[in-house]
Amino acid sequence: DTEVTQTPKHLVMGMTNKKSLKCEQHMGHRAMYWYKQKAKKPPELMFVYSYEKLSINESVPSRFSPECPNSSLLNLHLHALQPEDSALYLCASSGSGGSSYEQYFGPGTRLTVT
Amino acid sequence: GQSLEQPSEVTAVEGAIVQINCTYQTSGFYGLSWYQQHDGGAPTFLSYNALDGLEETGRFSSFLSRSDSYGYLLLQELQMKDSASYFCAVNYYGQNFVFGPGTRLSVLP
Repeated sequence: DTEVTQTPKHLVMGMTNKKSLKCEQHMGHRAMYWYKQKAKKPPELMFVYSYEKLSINESVPSRFSPECPNSSLLNLHLHALQPEDSALYLCASSGSGGSSYEQYFGPGTRLTVT
Repeated sequence: GQSLEQPSEVTAVEGAIVQINCTYQTSGFYGLSWYQQHDGGAPTFLSYNALDGLEETGRFSSFLSRSDSYGYLLLQELQMKDSASYFCAVNYYGQNFVFGPGTRLSVLP
């Protein structure tokens, strides 16, 4: 199984809402990532979890809060977002150490903030 | 900081060979990856180079010159389904990744 799943596929939320994005993989990967991608732009790294610990936070605003409940799951909690946060949010996973370069991406959650 | 450059667009015909270049500036360089992304889809891993030289995977090959901070993706026997965006991505200091701006490849019949 080389699949990364993400839910929901689409999400529309107001600026005062709280919502969560979910990501799951069953490849035994110990590194998981959140990326943000705007239209016609490259993915931008937001967070990296390695062995369930947050290892990289690319200066992401606190209205985005990641969580890694176990080695297969990754959540992104959203609160008080701004319209400019509307984007495709991609989850990815990879092996650790020497195999961390090959990332498997999920289909993404397309988020619209109104 | 890290920066990468790629051509914004490349056009070629079916059956042709196309090369997409990538230059980068980064510290703590580990390797250079290539990803394909179709419109509305997720990025898909194509190739990775940590050492200088050519890596071949079917119709796709990737090259790296660490001394020149340069790499390229070579696509042979182009097919219509290869029309997509192609991103180079630098892996630095372990699990940090930064993607290039992307090259949109159009394959014409």
